This record gives sequence, C-alpha cells and structure tokens, in this order.
Amino acid sequence: RKEVEQDPGPFNVPEGATVAFNCTYSNSASQSFFWYRQDCRKEPKLLMSVYSSGNEDGRFTAQLNRASQYISLLIRDSKLSDSATYLCVVNMGSGGYNKLIFGAGTRLAVHP
Amino acid sequence: AAGVIQSPRHLIKEKRETATLKCYPIPRHDTVYWYQQGPGQDPQFLISFYEKMQSDKGSIPDRFSAQQFSDYHSELNMSSLELGDSALYFCASSPTPREGTEAFFGQGTRLTVV
Repeated sequence: RKEVEQDPGPFNVPEGATVAFNCTYSNSASQSFFWYRQDCRKEPKLLMSVYSSGNEDGRFTAQLNRASQYISLLIRDSKLSDSATYLCVVNMGSGGYNKLIFGAGTRLAVHP
Repeated sequence: AAGVIQSPRHLIKEKRETATLKCYPIPRHDTVYWYQQGPGQDPQFLISFYEKMQSDKGSIPDRFSAQQFSDYHSELNMSSLELGDSALYFCASSPTPREGTEAFFGQGTRLTVV
C-alpha cells in the first residue's frame, strides 16, 4: 500500500462546477499536510496547507480528518485555469526532520 | 523573492556516463530534498539534507550520491547512467522544521539518457 493515495482521475468538469478530491495517508503520526498543484512539465507549486480546523482560500477549501486519515480539497466555481494535476503531500518526517511524501496526483480538466 | 535555483535546466547524457545536478535553496532554508519524476508519474523522494547532514533517504539508487555543502547548496551525483534514469529531477527547500514545513520547488532538471 502506498503511503499517500489519491484517485488519479481524470476529473473532467465544466466551468463553474464544484469538484472534490480526497487523499488518504498511512502514517497516523503525520503532522502536516499540503495540496500542491502541478502543471504539465512544471514544478509542483504549493496551493495550500491543510490545517486541523480546515481552511479556505477563495474558491479552495481544504479539510483534514485525522481519525480517518484523509485530507480533501474542494474547488468551487471551477475555472479553465484550474486544469492541472493536484498533488496531495504529507509530511512524514520525525525527529525534527521534514520528509514530504507525494501522492500520485489527481488530474483535473475543466472544459468550457 | 528568491526561489530555488536548479542547474542545468536540461541535460543529455549517454549510458554509463556521469551527471551532476545542482540545487541552490531559498536563502535561510536549511533543508533540501531531491525528487525524481518519471513521465506520467508522481515525484519520488530520493534523499534529503538538514543542516548539511543527510536526514532521510528514499528510493535513491546506489549509483547516485548527494551532499549538502556549507553554503547549503546541494549536488546530486549520478554515475553509470541508465536509460531509466531519464526523468525530471526536482530539488525543493524548506525552512527549519520548527519554522515551517512547506517546501518550495525549483524548476527542475530534465535529464535525458540516450
């Protein structure tokens, strides 16, 4: 079983739709969680951190469920420019070190 | 704002040759990570350094080695290159864990082994 698992998609949605991605992780001691966005052949870019209380940034909402060991990303009012691969990232470091483990990514395609 | 700098951006090598990839982290970041991303795959963790010491090791082949220098830049040395080593190699840096855990990526080095 992979340490971080995501549905690879692709998710094909029309503009304006709401779409949600889930991600599960294996290490219950993990302390920090992130969503990164990666465009084709580009570097991953931090989209948002995921906090225990949940957090929102404009059209994006991230939530963490520690009991079930999953995080989610909700995108409202999808734009064409949201088309990308969304990577779930979990910090599984210990002893004061960071170790970021990536999920395989979920592809989102937003069409007119 | 300064970002993570990787060089070279593109590299073409023949089988069995060696390659050295360089990474210059964001100033005041003391943790560096190396990732390998094959075509259509997620980034795979290779190795990380914290304060110039190796902090963790992932799926890095024995043919590869890496180090972090006194100025915090890092180099990934790859020997006896194989066709399967062709990939995007990303370096990322993050501040000391007590100050944050987000990592920021360089633009990557695209290695092609022919």
